[in-house]
Amino acid sequence: DIQMTQSPSTLSASVGDRVTVTCRASQTIRSYLAWYQQKPGKAPKLLIYEASSVESGVPSRFSGSGSGTEFTLTISSLQPDDFATYYCQQYDSDLTFGGGTKVEI
Amino acid sequence: QVQLRESGPGLLRPSQTLSLICSVSGGSIRSGDYYWTWIRQHPGKGLEWIGSSHYGGRTYFNPSLKSRVIISLDRSNNQFSLNLTSVTAADTATYYCAISPIYGDYVIGWGQGTLVTVSS
Repeated sequence: DIQMTQSPSTLSASVGDRVTVTCRASQTIRSYLAWYQQKPGKAPKLLIYEASSVESGVPSRFSGSGSGTEFTLTISSLQPDDFATYYCQQYDSDLTFGGGTKVEI
Repeated sequence: QVQLRESGPGLLRPSQTLSLICSVSGGSIRSGDYYWTWIRQHPGKGLEWIGSSHYGGRTYFNPSLKSRVIISLDRSNNQFSLNLTSVTAADTATYYCAISPIYGDYVIGWGQGTLVTVSS
């Protein structure tokens, strides 16, 4: 099984900050990585797929990069609506999610 | 745009079978464009993939749950279902139905989720 490790688990930030979340895979997953945003009581929302492709309708301040085993999600200028939990997910072999990163004030 | 809605009992006793239905609107179960997927989230925890099924016949499961899971597609009612046998308290979670495109197992659509509690 492919394990996904996210860091940090919690991130304290302010509006306007540049925020980076890291996701590491236990073996290469090529570029088969997605990022989701989840708010309390809601289903997750797709932000990024294939490591760096931004889903339609997602603000341009969200970007993804990486390949192989190390990936990053970057929010260029944190907005009030961005305080949420973020998950990575590999889909190179079955599906596995990371443990999540909570972005809080 | 495909919309999904889960339904099913919210409370089960240990050893019972969890049965959930996902009703699909705005799209067809018979579409070859999607995998129909179940994902769960334990209270306050992360996401866990349960399994996925394609109308063409391919079905695959999380190895840790495979022996207890059945996913079925019902083309007559345009819905798909999850059966999870021999539940325990560890199966208490919010269960989401979801869809993934055929060309990549990332999730492009989610139901609103339904909380299932297993308790004696």
